[in-house]
Amino acid sequence: GAVVSQHPSWVICKSGTSVKIECRSLDFQATTMFWYRQFPKQSLMLMATSNEGSKATYEQGVEKDKFLINHASLTLSTLTVTSAHPEDSSFYICSARSGAVFFGQGTRLTVV
Amino acid sequence: KQEVTQIPAALSVPEGENLVLNCSFTDSAIYNLQWFRQDPGKGLTSLLLIQSSQREQTSGRLNASLDKSSGRSTLYIAASQPGDSATYLCAVCTSGTYKYIFGTGTRLKVLA
Repeated sequence: GAVVSQHPSWVICKSGTSVKIECRSLDFQATTMFWYRQFPKQSLMLMATSNEGSKATYEQGVEKDKFLINHASLTLSTLTVTSAHPEDSSFYICSARSGAVFFGQGTRLTVV
Repeated sequence: KQEVTQIPAALSVPEGENLVLNCSFTDSAIYNLQWFRQDPGKGLTSLLLIQSSQREQTSGRLNASLDKSSGRSTLYIAASQPGDSATYLCAVCTSGTYKYIFGTGTRLKVLA
């Protein structure tokens, strides 16, 4: 099946710094990518929808200036958590669509 | 707005039991429904995907059914094993947007 790769798989950063997470579709072109967030012991919540070459569409309650999403090519979308704080510590998962939708393995972010 | 609910929230059973996990959703305009498994601290493993036109899918000891008109899906696990212990997530893919809306999850523990 199609593979969606996320990098890094885990990251620890200091409070106030920014961290970038990459989501790549390895063997297909993805016109649309999605970013989800999962807090401990909770389910996944959709953060935003990213379409190649256009601005991302954010779900209600998600700060677009804090979570910068770039989808510059058909195989890569990035999520940058700006000025990260401990409450941003979470599991971030992307998915990519090419007909069907495929999920990455997630990135665990810990802000200390 | 699509809402997905899973019952029960947690389940503990002795090894060998057959069990049923329930998922309900409020908007029947779906593209497909997918059941995932998530181990602690890990990403998602897709178990079964049911297209909106299908009634059920089977893979090994797993069987998932879909009743779109009533907004319900069940995941049946036969002859449960300790290795089945995980959180099971139901996710509904919304028609037109391809967004997945995740349920609250069922934490399963199979006792040896």
